[in-house]
Amino acid sequence: DTGVSQNPRHKITKRGQNVTFRCDPISEHNRLYWYRQTLGQGPEFLTYFQNEAQLEKSRLLSDRFSAERPKGSFSTLEIQRTEQGDSAMYLCAGRAGGLTGELFFGEGSRLTVL
Amino acid sequence: AQSVTQLGSHVSVSEGALVLLRCNYSSSVPPYLFWYVQYPNQGLQLLLKYTSAATLVKGINGFEAEFKKSETSFHLTKPSAHMRDAAEYFCAVSFISGDQFYFGTGTSLTVIP
Repeated sequence: DTGVSQNPRHKITKRGQNVTFRCDPISEHNRLYWYRQTLGQGPEFLTYFQNEAQLEKSRLLSDRFSAERPKGSFSTLEIQRTEQGDSAMYLCAGRAGGLTGELFFGEGSRLTVL
Repeated sequence: AQSVTQLGSHVSVSEGALVLLRCNYSSSVPPYLFWYVQYPNQGLQLLLKYTSAATLVKGINGFEAEFKKSETSFHLTKPSAHMRDAAEYFCAVSFISGDQFYFGTGTSLTVIP
C-alpha cells in the first residue's frame, strides 16, 4: 500500500461528457504527478505539482484537460468533452524528498469513453 | 533528448530460469534509474532504484539491477523466475536537473510452468 488513493477506480462515460478524477496522496508527498497509460504502453506524463503550484504540463495535453491541487493536498484531473481517444488508465503518483525520491503510485482510474 | 528504452516488449522464461529485462537510457547528465512492476489493473510498484551510490542495486522479490555507465544500461535480473513474477515491468529515469520522470514502454514477462 503506497498510501495514494484514486477515485473513482472505473468510469464509463459517453463521448462529450465531462469527467473528474481525484487523487489523495499522503501528506509527505509535496510533489504530485499525473500520468496516462494506454494498453501496452508505459505511463505518459501529463502534469505535475509541487505543493499547490502546477510546474509542468505536457505539450500533448489538450486544453480539454485541466488539473488542480488546491492547498497542496489532494488533486483533481478533469477532462472536458471527452473523446474516445481519452479512454485510458489515469495514474496519480506522489513523491517526497529530494530528486532521488521515487514515485508512489495509486491504483489508477480507468476511463472508458463510449 | 533524455529518455529510456526497453528492448523486448515480451519476454518468456521457464519457471526457475534466469530473468533478464533490458533497459538503456539516454542522458547528458547523471541519471537516477528505477524499475517498477505492474500487475493487471493495478498501479506501479517500485522494485528498486539507482541514485548514484552502489552500482549493483538489490530490490524486492529477489530482483537486482546493475548500473553500467559505459553501456548506458540498467538491466533487471533475477536468478530464478517464479510464477508470481509474471507482470509488466517498466524502467524509468529521472535527472538531477529536474523533477521529470520518463518511462519506457514496458516489458511483459511471462513465466512458463
